[in-house]
Amino acid sequence: DGGITQSPKYLFRKEGQNVTLSCEQNLNHDAMYWYRQDPGQGLRLIYYSQIVNDFQKGDIAEGYSVSREKKESFPLTVTSAQKNPTAFYLCASSLSSSSGRIYFEQFFGPGTRLTVL
Amino acid sequence: SQQGEEDPQALSIQEGENATMNCSYKTSINNLQWYRQNSGRGLVHLILIRSNEREKHSGRLRVTLDTSKKSSSLLITASRAADTASYFCATDGDNDMRFGAGTRLTVKP
Repeated sequence: DGGITQSPKYLFRKEGQNVTLSCEQNLNHDAMYWYRQDPGQGLRLIYYSQIVNDFQKGDIAEGYSVSREKKESFPLTVTSAQKNPTAFYLCASSLSSSSGRIYFEQFFGPGTRLTVL
Repeated sequence: SQQGEEDPQALSIQEGENATMNCSYKTSINNLQWYRQNSGRGLVHLILIRSNEREKHSGRLRVTLDTSKKSSSLLITASRAADTASYFCATDGDNDMRFGAGTRLTVKP
């Protein structure tokens, strides 16, 4: 099956802890994205990567970090510097749009719900 | 900042009725996309419409785009209870795609 997976589905973090959210895709997509969604809100972009070993900050990157060592994987670390991390986190992938402002449909994972205790 | 803004924020209709949601945006775009999200799930792509297209259909979905008014609409005909979800428009920003806050559609059986 081709698709994009996220784990875990639910994650609980104590204050002061770093946690890492997993995102894996087997769609052979170059581009991957992380979004944060708060209750009743739209999606806000945290980080995105158009190609392996390269990534860019989105609108709300502070307190988050990412890596893109493999094409199929784009893990997100929520650090202790993120003061209000409780939210729903969505990972997505797409064909790369690095050649211009023509964007392709994004394929989303099922999400990870992070709660700070 | 978000590029697209959906209207209304919430919409409640009876099964069988049509549902219309609107999206307005501020800067020129190459394409506009509509997505659906069931509660607590990831988003699912519905339709992509390019800036040189005015209308597009997919099953019970009809999307229009008016670049002069910087607006798009999503029409769902003959709605079903299973259409209950949030619907988002997304437009291309400087380096990525930007999503609006969504319209929450409730279809009552």
